[in-house]
Amino acid sequence: EAGVAQSPRYKIIEKRQSVAFWCNPISGHATLYWYQQILGQGPKLLIQFQNNGVVDDSQLPKDRFSAERLKGVDSTLKIQPAKLEDSAVYLCASSLGADRYYEQYFGPGTRLTVT
Amino acid sequence: AQKVTQAQTEISVVEKEDVTLDCVYETRDTTYYLFWYKQPPSGELVFLIRRNSFDEQNEISGRYSWNFQKSTSSFNFTITASQVVDSAVYFCALSDRTSYDKVIFGPGTSLSVIP
Repeated sequence: EAGVAQSPRYKIIEKRQSVAFWCNPISGHATLYWYQQILGQGPKLLIQFQNNGVVDDSQLPKDRFSAERLKGVDSTLKIQPAKLEDSAVYLCASSLGADRYYEQYFGPGTRLTVT
Repeated sequence: AQKVTQAQTEISVVEKEDVTLDCVYETRDTTYYLFWYKQPPSGELVFLIRRNSFDEQNEISGRYSWNFQKSTSSFNFTITASQVVDSAVYFCALSDRTSYDKVIFGPGTSLSVIP
């Protein structure tokens, strides 16, 4: 079974530039999550999708971050414009269901450096 | 408020030693889930265990064991006869109804197993 795929693995941009990350979850997983992991910290949930609908985006900085999952499969996360404090690893995860009972499977992450 | 504390930032042990990673959590809910995840240098978080608040039985899986004590709000993780491949960052996490099922991660403990 293929795992969660993410691209790119690394990205370096200057502040005020835009960047987009892509995630393809495990086939059949209805729930998709985007997390931000700042160096030395645990992951923090940015947004959760159930199929193509948003379940939770309370911690997403909506003035600069956006995410979509148009067909209920793969997803993109965009930052526009980027700030220095956005430097982090962005992790995508998926699970069969939205209930916390279901374990989440994580992708390898995209390491973003904003200079 | 929900909170997960992992007081040990970094631990180093010599191969074959036993090591315990501490986790203390805070929640007002009586129903909650606790998790442990492993993050090797490759970056992907790997699910290790999920425990619900009604099940205080300790669990053993190979060299891994978990000690859940509601009285002290702790969910500690022990690796017996550690191996170099155990070197990783380990995260304890909590999910409860107050957090609307979001998984709240602790700051992580970086374990280095020295050959």
